[in-house]
Amino acid sequence: DIQMTQSPSSLSASVGDRVTITCRASQGINNYLAWYQQKPGKVPQLLIYAASTLQSGVPSRFSGGGSGTDFTLTISSLQPEDVATYYCQKYNSAPFTFGPGTKVDIK
Amino acid sequence: EVHLVQSGAEVKKPGESLKISCKGSGYNFATYWIGWVRQMPEKGLEWMALIYPGDSDTRYSPSFQGQVTISADKSISTAYLQWSSLKASDTAIYYCARRGQPGIAFDTWGQGTMVTVSS
Repeated sequence: DIQMTQSPSSLSASVGDRVTITCRASQGINNYLAWYQQKPGKVPQLLIYAASTLQSGVPSRFSGGGSGTDFTLTISSLQPEDVATYYCQKYNSAPFTFGPGTKVDIK
Repeated sequence: EVHLVQSGAEVKKPGESLKISCKGSGYNFATYWIGWVRQMPEKGLEWMALIYPGDSDTRYSPSFQGQVTISADKSISTAYLQWSSLKASDTAIYYCARRGQPGIAFDTWGQGTMVTVSS
């Protein structure tokens, strides 16, 4: 099965900073890569699908990139409401494995 | 508006059986895959299984194959996750989620069902 890794596992940044999270698949996944945000105590929410398509209603400061096996999630200007854990997920074929998550907080 | 509403929290003893539910509304339930995701306390998301309610086609993660059973009743727009013999390690929040249109990931999530297994 394809394994998903994320880096870093956690980060602390200032409001207004540009933040980038990396997700790597152990094999190519044809851009079937999604990013989710889970705020503390809340339900996960879809941010980005197909590696770079913003889900409806998601602020434009979020963007996704990459292809093949290496993907990124970027927050262009970190806001206090972005404090959350971010997960990538492959969904080209089962199993639809999640990455281990990246916890983002404010410095 | 699309919604997934899950059944309420459960407290069970080891060895007991359990079936939790996820009811969809606001869309054609039969034509969208429903997935189940586990989140153990203070841990990350784990994809468990997937079902297509239209024909009950299923996919399981190797980690959960044989440990749980998923099913669906399209006539009442409800998917299920069940255990025949719970263990303490099954204590977690369980989410159902709808896989969106082709090419889209899990776009709608249930509110989660907390399952506590303790003697």
